[in-house]
Order: sequence, then C-alpha cells, then structure tokens
Amino acid sequence: DAMVIQNPRYQVTQFGKPVTLSCSQTLNHNVMYWYQQKSSQAPKLLFHYYDKDFNNEADTPDNFQSRRPNTSFCFLDIRSPGLGDAAMYLCATSREGTGSYNEQFFGPGTRLTVL
Amino acid sequence: SQQGEEDPQALSIQEGENATMNCSYKTSINNLQWYRQNSGRGLVHLILIRSNEREKHSGRLRVTLDTSKKSSSLLITASRAADTASYFCATALSYKLSFGAGTTVTVRA
Repeated sequence: DAMVIQNPRYQVTQFGKPVTLSCSQTLNHNVMYWYQQKSSQAPKLLFHYYDKDFNNEADTPDNFQSRRPNTSFCFLDIRSPGLGDAAMYLCATSREGTGSYNEQFFGPGTRLTVL
Repeated sequence: SQQGEEDPQALSIQEGENATMNCSYKTSINNLQWYRQNSGRGLVHLILIRSNEREKHSGRLRVTLDTSKKSSSLLITASRAADTASYFCATALSYKLSFGAGTTVTVRA
C-alpha cells in the first residue's frame, strides 16, 4: 500500500546532541511537509519542500533544518535539541498541481524525547 | 500560524449519539479540511469541503461550511467507540494547511 513512513517512531536524544528524523513516501507526491506537534496542541508547520524548493516558515528556529535528497525521502535535522523541542514530529505529503485539492497524507509521527 | 479555533475543546458522548464540533477561522480560504488523530498517531484525512460548497457528506460524517461567518461544523452520526480521537479542522489558502487546536472526542460504550 502507498504510504508515508517515519523512522524511528520514538527517538530519545540528549540536550544539545544532533538528531535526524526520517520520512519516506511511496505516493510519489511532489510536496513534503514537516510539522511539530506538542501535547494537546495543533500541528505547527515547520517547513516544506515543493519538489526541490525548500520553503521555511518565518517562525521556524534556525535549529531546525531539512533535506530532501530525492522525491521519496525527506529528513528533519535538529542541530542542538533543547528541552522545548520535545514533541511529536509529523511528516506529510501532498500532490500539488492542476486539479489537486491539498489533501495531505500523514505518517505515524516520531515522538522525540530530549533528556 | 494557527488560524482555526475549535469548539468545544473536549466532548464526551455515549455510543450511538451524534457528535458535533465547530471550527471558526479568520481569513479567506480555498477549502477547509477535517482530520482525525488517534492518540499518539498521525493525522488521517476525513473530508474536504471547498469554499464554494455549503455541505458535504461522507458516510457518517457531515460537514457544513459558512464562508460568510467563517465557520464550519463536523457532525459524526451514530458514534462508535472507534470514533474516540482528536478532530482537527484545517484551512487551506494555497496548498499549505493551518490547523486548529482540535476537539477531543470520547465515545463511551
């Protein structure tokens, strides 16, 4: 089945130790998104790739970076995680273009704990 | 930034009852979408309603949209225990979504 996969599902890191979260998709969608969701809050868009074009949200901290080496994969790098970065990180994809309607397909999320 | 505001924040109902939740937003939209999130999981798309539509149905779901009031409602009829989840509205102006804080629905057996 076509899907969005996130690895790992649970990630524990130490304060200040870089961490990378992974997302892959078999939907062949041209847009990939990263969201941060804290407990009982709305998902907050960090950035997205439209094809190879990177689009950062204005309020996303510099501590967060992303890479998209090909259509299928997208990575979220947190250079120096702080305690406030503990959250669920959600990857999503969508097919954008003529006739598309912006439905997004989400992965199961990676729960990040910062010690 | 978060655009949608959802009401109520939490809802507890008996199995078989209907559940209604509301979403208000602030700016123009192309469409409005509803998503479900089970505890600790990703979001699942439920239904999309375009800005020129007023009502849409999908199975036990009914969504309304009033663009003059900038509001939408989601009705789940004949609720089941499996409907226990958080429900989020999301507004789309281009292809990016802006989510509300969600309504947590608990369906009691």
